[in-house]
Amino acid sequence: SQQGEEDPQALSIQEGENATMNCSYKTSINNLQWYRQNSGRGLVHLILIRSNEREKHSGRLRVTLDTSKKSSSLLITASRAADTASYFCATDGHFTGNQFYFGTGTSLTVIP
Amino acid sequence: DGGITQSPKYLFRKEGQNVTLSCEQNLNHDAMYWYRQDPGQGLRLIYYSQIVNDFQKGDIAEGYSVSREKKESFPLTVTSAQKNPTAFYLCASSGERFYGYTFGSGTRLTVV
Repeated sequence: SQQGEEDPQALSIQEGENATMNCSYKTSINNLQWYRQNSGRGLVHLILIRSNEREKHSGRLRVTLDTSKKSSSLLITASRAADTASYFCATDGHFTGNQFYFGTGTSLTVIP
Repeated sequence: DGGITQSPKYLFRKEGQNVTLSCEQNLNHDAMYWYRQDPGQGLRLIYYSQIVNDFQKGDIAEGYSVSREKKESFPLTVTSAQKNPTAFYLCASSGERFYGYTFGSGTRLTVV
């Protein structure tokens, strides 16, 4: 399976701290995406990084991609209680067309 | 506002029944997807469709069926052959490959 794996499975931090979560995957990819899911809701697309990119920013989010290590990280700076959610990475592959494979997610709790 | 609408939000199925989950989008997206999410697990792809009147099986298609008669609609039928249907079902669409998925808010199916 090409499914990515997020690490850690759960993370609890104080408001204002930074949160870092990681994603590892198994085969070569074209694109990697990060999504947020609030409890019982659908996923919201956060950011997409292509295989030829190493870093991308969007507001308080910073995503890095290391294709040599087959890993990506998502950094949320100055976290807020509203950032409490599960975060998933999703990867496609050279031979999977438009299919993206999702990891099992990191559950982030930001304590006010 | 453009988006994806899934209905119903909650659905209860008796043993041996077929049920159909609705997914409608007004984003003019070509591709649509159905995912299943179980507690503590990532999303698993059931079916996807990249164009009207065409669809492909995902990783866990057994016990499910779909149709794509209109660009806007991609209903999922959970048949009696699906032995463990209790899960959270998510529909998604995408227009351009590099801009991520748009997800609906999900349908929670419970077998009673």
